Amino acid sequence: DQQVKQNSPSLSVQEGRISILNCDYTNSMFDYFLWYKKYPAEGPTFLISISSIKDKNEDGRFTVFLNKSAKHLSLHIVPSQPGDSAVYFCAAEGFNAGNMLTFGGGTRLMVKP
Amino acid sequence: EPEVTQTPSHQVTQMGQEVILRCVPISNHLYFYWYRQILGQKVEFLVSFYNNEISEKSEIFDDQFSVERPDGSNFTLKIRSTKLEDSAMYFCASSVTGQGTGTEAFFGQGTRLTVV
Repeated sequence: DQQVKQNSPSLSVQEGRISILNCDYTNSMFDYFLWYKKYPAEGPTFLISISSIKDKNEDGRFTVFLNKSAKHLSLHIVPSQPGDSAVYFCAAEGFNAGNMLTFGGGTRLMVKP
Repeated sequence: EPEVTQTPSHQVTQMGQEVILRCVPISNHLYFYWYRQILGQKVEFLVSFYNNEISEKSEIFDDQFSVERPDGSNFTLKIRSTKLEDSAMYFCASSVTGQGTGTEAFFGQGTRLTVV
């Protein structure tokens, strides 16, 4: 089952530069897409979300872009900071896709000082 | 800031034994979930719970698993007879409204279950 897929297991970026994390999905029933951030020994914490009727949502340094026709979304972090180093999970949900989050496999982001 | 708390943080158990993982969701939340993450794999949904009953469960959540809200604050996951492949990090989560509405789910820090 690969309804939500993150093809890059890791990404390394220099501090101050842009980080772009990508996510693809297959299920057209998803209504919302969420990004969670996870530090070691902690649970995932919510970062930002986007509704399927929008193509962009911005919150400070974090922007999520949705290309519904391509079933693709991306999370942009700019400028990247060392504290952003974590695993980022893309997740999706939908009113007709079950009362659950469907997660991608995660991308480990390393921001180098 | 309110948070979801899970106990214990690490549980080691013998194969075939029963384990109970405990969670205290955020007090005004109405929807409760269990997810798990096997080492190196993705976070997988197990079960959602609302109004004192299961609202959704995955294929993973077979007869060996059960959930309960024994009082007004705790939410537990019981694995009746553990198997080696149950070794994973188990996350409890809660939300104000159900998933499918764009509502943020708040996750606990997880319980690492090791079956030996």
